[in-house]
Amino acid sequence: AQSVTQPDIHITVSEGASLELRCNYSYGATPYLFWYVQSPGQGLQLLLKYFSGDTLVQGIKGFEAEFKRSQSSFNLRKPSVHWSDAAEYFCAVGSNDYKLSFGAGTTVTVRA
Amino acid sequence: DSGVTQTPKHLITATGQRVTLRCSPRSGDLSVYWYQQSLDQGLQFLIQYYNGEERAKGNILERFSAQQFPDLHSELNLSSLELGDSALYFCASSAGLSEAGTEAFFGQGTRLTVV
Repeated sequence: AQSVTQPDIHITVSEGASLELRCNYSYGATPYLFWYVQSPGQGLQLLLKYFSGDTLVQGIKGFEAEFKRSQSSFNLRKPSVHWSDAAEYFCAVGSNDYKLSFGAGTTVTVRA
Repeated sequence: DSGVTQTPKHLITATGQRVTLRCSPRSGDLSVYWYQQSLDQGLQFLIQYYNGEERAKGNILERFSAQQFPDLHSELNLSSLELGDSALYFCASSAGLSEAGTEAFFGQGTRLTVV
């Protein structure tokens, strides 16, 4: 069975500081990995995805993630956080029929 | 705007009732997925349809059912509603299956409140 663990429920970061959100997955084969962001009252927006190839993936809004098979991790990073990055972030792993399993989410608060 | 339209945005209904949530996928997308987001369960995959046929099933209760119509819109039917069914229900669509490297686009959700 596939599953995702996001160890951090809530992270507070200062504007302009770097951000790293952790994601560990469990999956029997080569995973399809995703990061989504959900702003309050909004749907889910895809930040980036990994299917194969280069393990460092660039996404929208200045985010990137690195796939590390040896650590079963797909951590999300941003070098300099903006106030508009305050949201909830979800890591997900997909099977080949795109049934996604989501982590519990990490809420990011940005302080001025 | 993801291009996925869900109606209604909000729904308040009583226990024991039945409701229908509607989803219009992005133009050309063949796959539709339904997810439930609740405080205690998080985001859970319910069911997927591909070009009118059920493709994959997740943690969907027997009281819930879905279908995808020839015009590719989908409906999620929830019956004998319980308080615990209160949640945000998301629809997502993708062009095909993930082997093609497609991505799923999510609608803004329908917030269901059962009272």
